[in-house]
This record gives sequence, C-alpha cells and structure tokens, in this order.
Amino acid sequence: GAVVSQHPSRVICKSGTSVKIECRSLDFQATTMFWYRQFPKKSLMLMATSNEGSKATYEQGVEKDKFLINHASLTLSTLTVTSAHPEDSSFYICSARATGTSGGAITGELFFGEGSRLTVL
Amino acid sequence: TQLLEQSPQFLSIQEGENLTVYCNSSSVFSSLQWYRQEPGEGPVLLVTVVTGGEVKKLKRLTFQFGDARKDSSLHITAAQPGDTGLYLCAGEGSSNYKLTFGKGTLLTVNP
Repeated sequence: GAVVSQHPSRVICKSGTSVKIECRSLDFQATTMFWYRQFPKKSLMLMATSNEGSKATYEQGVEKDKFLINHASLTLSTLTVTSAHPEDSSFYICSARATGTSGGAITGELFFGEGSRLTVL
Repeated sequence: TQLLEQSPQFLSIQEGENLTVYCNSSSVFSSLQWYRQEPGEGPVLLVTVVTGGEVKKLKRLTFQFGDARKDSSLHITAAQPGDTGLYLCAGEGSSNYKLTFGKGTLLTVNP
C-alpha cells in the first residue's frame, strides 16, 4: 500500500549546522507535499506546500531562507533547516498527496510520514 | 485563513465512559478528516467525511459532518485505555488541498 517515508526519524545536531530531512512517497507519485511542524502535545502547524518542479509556497511567518524546501522529483521532497538553533527543535512531519493511481493510492489521497524529531543542542 | 476550533483540548476520563470531541469553523470545507496520533509518530487517518450531514461509524467511534460542512464531531462510546492519544480534526480547503488542523484533543482513558 501507499506509504510515505521520512528520513531521518531522529537527528541531533549542534547549533549553527544545517539539517536535511527527506520525505519520500513509496509506490506512488506526489506533485504536492506538505511540511508541518509540531510541538509536544500540540497540533500540526503547516509550514509550507512543496510543489514538484517549482518553488514551495510558505505559510505566513515561516522563513523561507531558514527552511529550504526542494521538491526535485515526483517522489521526493526535502526540508533543510539552515543554521539550526535550539528553538528549531521540533517534530517535523510531511504529507504527500497522491497524483494518479498507483501503489494502492488514489488521486487526491493524502498520506503522512512518520515524522522526524530534530533536536538542536 | 480558515480556522478550526477543536474542543476540548484535554480530556481525562475513566474506562467505559463516553466522550465527544468537537470541531467548529466559520468556513466551509470540501472534506473533513479525523486523525489519531501516538507520541513520536505521524498522524493516522481515521475517517474522511465529505457530504454535509454525513455520519460514519468505525467500531465505537462515530463521526458526523455538519449539514453546512463547517463543523464535525467525534463520539467515542465506552472508551478504552487503548483509545488514549491525540485526536486531530483537519479540514481541507476547496481550492488548494491544504489541510487546516484543529488544535487537537489529548485524550487519556484511565483503566
């Protein structure tokens, strides 16, 4: 069945470094993926919409230079947290919207990744 | 900006009790989804409601979509400790496929 895989699931880095998180749709294609941020026991906050082959659309208040998004193929979107600081520590979740019918996914179906826990020391 | 008000934010009940979680908005959504999330994991879809007035049942869970497609409720009958988790409602916009999430309801069912 359709699955979205995020990697890494956990990452610890030093302040000032950049961290890349991958979101892959397995067995289906996704022209649109979404990146969310979640604080403990809180809901998901949409950060940006990732569009294959074009620039991401960022939500108000989200720094595009801080959170770089690249959607280079129909199955992969990456989120790079640049010059990470402790306040960037969070749980980052992606979702992928199926395009076409494959791998058990129907067009328009949305699948969430398992999330990536970022801790910046 | 479409907003979803979800309530209550926290709920602690005893096993066997019933509960209802509400999601309300002034906006119309093309669909509304309910998710359950365990700590450290991504949200898992429970149900999608599309038609105004629609009622869907999933074992002890009953989901309802308001007639005007602006609100929804989740009712759990005879809650079990295994129902413990974060419940999230999310409305999908009609033009941009973006999901707007409610603030979530952290449910604890005590044995």
